[in-house]
Amino acid sequence: NAGVTQTPKFRVLKTGQSMTLLCAQDMNHEYMYWYRQDPGMGLRLIHYSVGEGTTAKGEVPDGYNVSRLKKQNFLLGLESAAPSQTSVYFCASSMANQPQHFGDGTRLSIL
Amino acid sequence: GDSVTQMEGPVTLSEEAFLTINCTYTATGYPSLFWYVQYPGEGLQLLLKATKADDKGSNKGFEATYRKETTSFHLEKGSVQVSDSAVYFCALSVLDGNNRLAFGKGNQVVVIP
Repeated sequence: NAGVTQTPKFRVLKTGQSMTLLCAQDMNHEYMYWYRQDPGMGLRLIHYSVGEGTTAKGEVPDGYNVSRLKKQNFLLGLESAAPSQTSVYFCASSMANQPQHFGDGTRLSIL
Repeated sequence: GDSVTQMEGPVTLSEEAFLTINCTYTATGYPSLFWYVQYPGEGLQLLLKATKADDKGSNKGFEATYRKETTSFHLEKGSVQVSDSAVYFCALSVLDGNNRLAFGKGNQVVVIP
């Protein structure tokens, strides 16, 4: 019973490099979300999707892009990584009007 | 916009002590309210929820009551254990049809044996 799976779990990048974080859910959820968690800031929404082929901006979208080509997957891309993007990234998914289910996070450091 | 405020600072207490974490919210309409818990190195897990005024959510000895008159959803547990050490987040559902959540900043709880 996998739930929400995030890959990779850890990554170190150099400034200017690009990468993609993958989120996969096996619960047939319509809604998916990407958050970042920083000390003293709680969770802040980066982008979200309300269904396959749709994406929308959240609270802190700058420097990130997303895609939802398949219902079960939600990708978060960093085109040119910056030290300010060092954070823990969480993916979540849900059905309408139901609580969100979270993955275990990706710890990303940008040097 | 919709927002959640949690009490400042970490909470340190002894095993078997009473725990309370304050949460107040600002929202248009009547959102659902949630408490999520994050154990070290893990993602967030739903602890409890309440969907309307005066509802009480409960789970694992934790309780919280949806108080519309004071716009609050305080978390309580009568006797904490070392295994309750975690970060606790209060959240509300943003009523825009996208099932989004607005989170408080979280409270680190440390229970000492």
